[in-house]
Amino acid sequence: EIVLTQSPGTLSLSPGERATLSCRASQSVSRTYLAWYQQKPGQAPRLLIYGASSRATGIPDRFSGSGSGTDFTLTISRLEPEDFAVYYCQQYGSSPPMYTFGQGTKLEIK
Amino acid sequence: QVQLQESGPGLVKPSETLSLICAVSGYSISSGYYWGWIRQPPGKGLEWIGSIYHSGSTYYNPSLKSRVTISVDTSKNQFSLKLSSVTAADTAVYYCARVYGGNPDYWGQGTLVTVSS
Repeated sequence: EIVLTQSPGTLSLSPGERATLSCRASQSVSRTYLAWYQQKPGQAPRLLIYGASSRATGIPDRFSGSGSGTDFTLTISRLEPEDFAVYYCQQYGSSPPMYTFGQGTKLEIK
Repeated sequence: QVQLQESGPGLVKPSETLSLICAVSGYSISSGYYWGWIRQPPGKGLEWIGSIYHSGSTYYNPSLKSRVTISVDTSKNQFSLKLSSVTAADTAVYYCARVYGGNPDYWGQGTLVTVSS
């Protein structure tokens, strides 16, 4: 079973700053099936990035994803007040079929 | 616009079976994609429960497989979750979602299910 480890657990930044969130897999995962989600309190997760680097519909271009193999990164170029939330990475593996989420990174206002 | 809505009892007694339905609008389940259930215990992270294709083929989280049944009713454009022998550890917000290319893209708003006597 693939384990996704996100770091840091909490990231304290100010609006306008750049945020870099990490997702490390216990073994190599397919870029095709690596995604990032944003979750605000009381809301369902929202898909931000799929295929490791493709933005989902309606997602601002300040959000970008990169990486391959076991190391993936979500970058928010200039933080807006509405970006402070919890972020999860997620992967799908086909053998056996399994969806795995990281434990989350909380992005909080400094 | 694809929309999903979970429904079912908000309180289930220990050892009983949790049953939820996800009604889909804006897209026909028969047209394709996998459809899944994901849960989130209060204050914790996300856990995939299982997924189903419109044909009825299913994949379950191995840690829950012995207690989970997911089924689909294409005539009503909905799919359902049954989780048996529940305990307090099954208390969570339960989400249904469409799965596109291995990643849930459209999610329901979630429904809190509490296991308590």
